[in-house]
Amino acid sequence: RKEVEQDPGPFNVPEGATVAFNCTYSNSASQSFFWYRQDCRKEPKLLMSVYSSGNEDGRFTAQLNRASQYISLLIRDSKLSDSATYLCVVNRLGGANNLFFGTGTRLTVIP
Amino acid sequence: DGGITQSPKYLFRKEGQNVTLSCEQNLNHDAMYWYRQDPGQGLRLIYYSQIVNDFQKGDIAEGYSVSREKKESFPLTVTSAQKNPTAFYLCASSLQGWDSGELFFGEGSRLTVL
Repeated sequence: RKEVEQDPGPFNVPEGATVAFNCTYSNSASQSFFWYRQDCRKEPKLLMSVYSSGNEDGRFTAQLNRASQYISLLIRDSKLSDSATYLCVVNRLGGANNLFFGTGTRLTVIP
Repeated sequence: DGGITQSPKYLFRKEGQNVTLSCEQNLNHDAMYWYRQDPGQGLRLIYYSQIVNDFQKGDIAEGYSVSREKKESFPLTVTSAQKNPTAFYLCASSLQGWDSGELFFGEGSRLTVL
């Protein structure tokens, strides 16, 4: 079983829509969680960390469900510029070998 | 502006040749990393370094080598022993050390073996 699993999509949504992605992780010892954004043929960039209490940054909300071992990313009022691949990252701590990247969920926002 | 610079952006290599990818950062980060990204797969760790003159193998180190002679520099050599070297290579660094999930990436180097 993969450490981190994401629905690859693509998710095609109209401008202004609300869209949510989930990411599941297999190891309950995982300690910290992140969402990265990666534009086509570019490098990943940190979008936001995911805190136990959930956190919000403008139109983006991230939540963690430890009991069910998943994290989520909600994007409200989607913009064309939100089109990208969103990578889920899970950190089990104990060294760089314990940082796991999902394969990403591709989002396309349509005019 | 602070950041990570990778070069070259695109590189073509014949089979049997070694090639070195450059990675330089001016963020004053101690930890640096090399990842490989292939279509349909998550990033996979090749090597990482926490401090100068020290580095550790990641999950897929075979066929690769690195050095860390300066804090700012972490070059990756893709040797002829790497069986499937065509990939997108990403260098990264982190402020909080090797346990951090908050990485800053360079723009990547796309290697194609002909």
